[in-house]
Amino acid sequence: GAVVSQHPSWVICKSGTSVKIECRSLDFQATTMFWYRQFPKQSLMLMATSNEGSKATYEQGVEKDKFLINHASLTLSTLTVTSAHPEDSSFYICSASPGTVPNQPQHFGDGTRLSIL
Amino acid sequence: QKEVEQNSGPLSVPEGAIASLNCTYSDRGSQSFFWYRQYSGKSPELIMSIYSNGDKEDGRFTAQLNKASQYVSLLIRDSQPSDSATYLCAADTFGNEKLTFGTGTRLTIIP
Repeated sequence: GAVVSQHPSWVICKSGTSVKIECRSLDFQATTMFWYRQFPKQSLMLMATSNEGSKATYEQGVEKDKFLINHASLTLSTLTVTSAHPEDSSFYICSASPGTVPNQPQHFGDGTRLSIL
Repeated sequence: QKEVEQNSGPLSVPEGAIASLNCTYSDRGSQSFFWYRQYSGKSPELIMSIYSNGDKEDGRFTAQLNKASQYVSLLIRDSQPSDSATYLCAADTFGNEKLTFGTGTRLTIIP
């Protein structure tokens, strides 16, 4: 149980393009999902907390107008990288937990490797 | 600032030996602790979760938590080459679902 699916797994696109990444909880409902970014040889950096039916909460230093998050249902959150530039190239990973019981672990999607040319 | 710290390694352990990974955290209010394994180019995979002081065993893995000393450890018995990965320690430092991750320890099992 607790499967999180992320799509696409790999994106290569030109600078200036907007890219949408989907994160789905397949066998549970998630009122909260999390988006992370990971640069090579570095740890996970939390970008934002995605809340179903309300605005996302962004971590300090993360541009909310550049990284648009939509959590329209209990099983789907999307991250859109708007007007992507080469410095946005990174490994983006979402996570979620069932949340029915406090302190349950987060489960991660397979990640999306974004390369901006 | 609430932090989770790990020795970045690399840690090299002979096959069949016990690998010991350590983690300390700064927020005494932390309640939940997790170990994730991350293979190169892949996303993290949950290995263990621990919430109470003491040991928790699952197969070849044992997590240990000492809240008084604010450390968490992971022992891997009978280490296998497939255990070679980066191990991330995470703490629920905000009393909610948000996790703070350590920088990870790179473990190499030598055949």
